Amino acid sequence: KAGVTQTPRYLIKTRGQQVTLSCSPISGHRSVSWYQQTPGQGLQFLFEYFSETQRNKGNFPGRFSGRQFSNSRSEMNVSTLELGDSALYLCASSLAPGQDRGYTFGSGTRLTVV
Amino acid sequence: DQQVKQNSPSLSVQEGRISILNCDYTNSMFDYFLWYKKYPAEGPTFLISISSIKDKNEDGRFTVFLNKSAKHLSLHIVPSQPGDSAVYFCAASADVGEKLVFGKGTKLTVNP
Repeated sequence: KAGVTQTPRYLIKTRGQQVTLSCSPISGHRSVSWYQQTPGQGLQFLFEYFSETQRNKGNFPGRFSGRQFSNSRSEMNVSTLELGDSALYLCASSLAPGQDRGYTFGSGTRLTVV
Repeated sequence: DQQVKQNSPSLSVQEGRISILNCDYTNSMFDYFLWYKKYPAEGPTFLISISSIKDKNEDGRFTVFLNKSAKHLSLHIVPSQPGDSAVYFCAASADVGEKLVFGKGTKLTVNP
């Protein structure tokens, strides 16, 4: 079956702009989590969605937001981009919270803010 | 406050030898631990996991050891192969359904 699909793979934006990233989970997976990976910081949790509801949120400013649709696809949005937002954004899906302790990750979206 | 720590940013070993990657955690509520492997330009892939009711889990060349009293776990790769060269992330969760907390990763290089 198809894996987790993230689009676009690469993105270049300028400071002050906003960006929307998309994630399609594995078919049947209803939980989607987002992580930010930067050099030296590892994977930092952004938020998790299940059944269109945000279940958990990490310590990121309000410029970072997300949502999940009825088909489990998820988007995350970053407004008023800053240079420090340049990172690899990873989406991971699982069957549902409580049913699968492991995630399947997508290949990520590499965001560069100039 | 970093709850999952991988204190070695990098590790280099010779092909055929053992690779030992270490991970420490501070949250005593963590009860499930995972290791992920990540190649450049790809997402992390699940490698092996261990529940806090066990102290060892083995899968082929990969073994994870958990020392709950020391809040320490390690991943052993024997024998190491050049294809194992990647960044390895340790992760933990506090309860079923809770988010995974990741360490910063250790870059393993296996030299032929």
